[in-house]
Amino acid sequence: AQKITQTQPGMFVQEKEAVTLDCTYDTSDQSYGLFWYKQPSSGEMIFLIYQGSYDEQNATEGRYSLNFQKARKSANLVISASQLGDSAMYFCAMRGSSSNTGKLIFGQGTTLQVKP
Amino acid sequence: KAGVTQTPRYLIKTRGQQVTLSCSPISGHRSVSWYQQTPGQGLQFLFEYFSETQRNKGNFPGRFSGRQFSNSRSEMNVSTLELGDSALYLCASSAGHETGANVLTFGAGSRLTVL
Repeated sequence: AQKITQTQPGMFVQEKEAVTLDCTYDTSDQSYGLFWYKQPSSGEMIFLIYQGSYDEQNATEGRYSLNFQKARKSANLVISASQLGDSAMYFCAMRGSSSNTGKLIFGQGTTLQVKP
Repeated sequence: KAGVTQTPRYLIKTRGQQVTLSCSPISGHRSVSWYQQTPGQGLQFLFEYFSETQRNKGNFPGRFSGRQFSNSRSEMNVSTLELGDSALYLCASSAGHETGANVLTFGAGSRLTVL
């Protein structure tokens, strides 16, 4: 069975500092995709970054980067230069090759609070 | 480009009633997926529709159903509401490709409260 584990229920970071949100996954699929989404208090899920299991380089999108360590089955999100607007819930998610395209398995999420 | 639109945004129902939620995907997207989010269970996949056909289904009772129309708009229905159905229901659309990222774009959600 596929599973996503986020072990940090809540985290604090000082504005302008970098922060790493942890995510480990479990799957027997050879081909899979890993996603990070941000959910502000408004409720809408905002896509941040994607990493395919066969991608050799770590994904980056602006201030977001994904630290992908395939052997350790981890896909940590790194946010550089934190901003107050980064305060939100962050979800790690996985799509396996045996799953259809619209099905993601989500972790329990990490609440990030950015301090001024 | 308009995003994913969900209606209604908030609704209150009583036990035993039924509810229908609507989702309009991004123009050109053929796949619509539905998720339930609760504090206890987190985000759970309900079902996915692609070109009017249910392509995948999560582990929810038969009280939860959905459909997709020819214009890709989707509705989900919950019959005989229970208190535990109180949740944020999120709809997501995508192109529906089976390769590549095929990123899901989510709507703002419909928050259902069952009294």
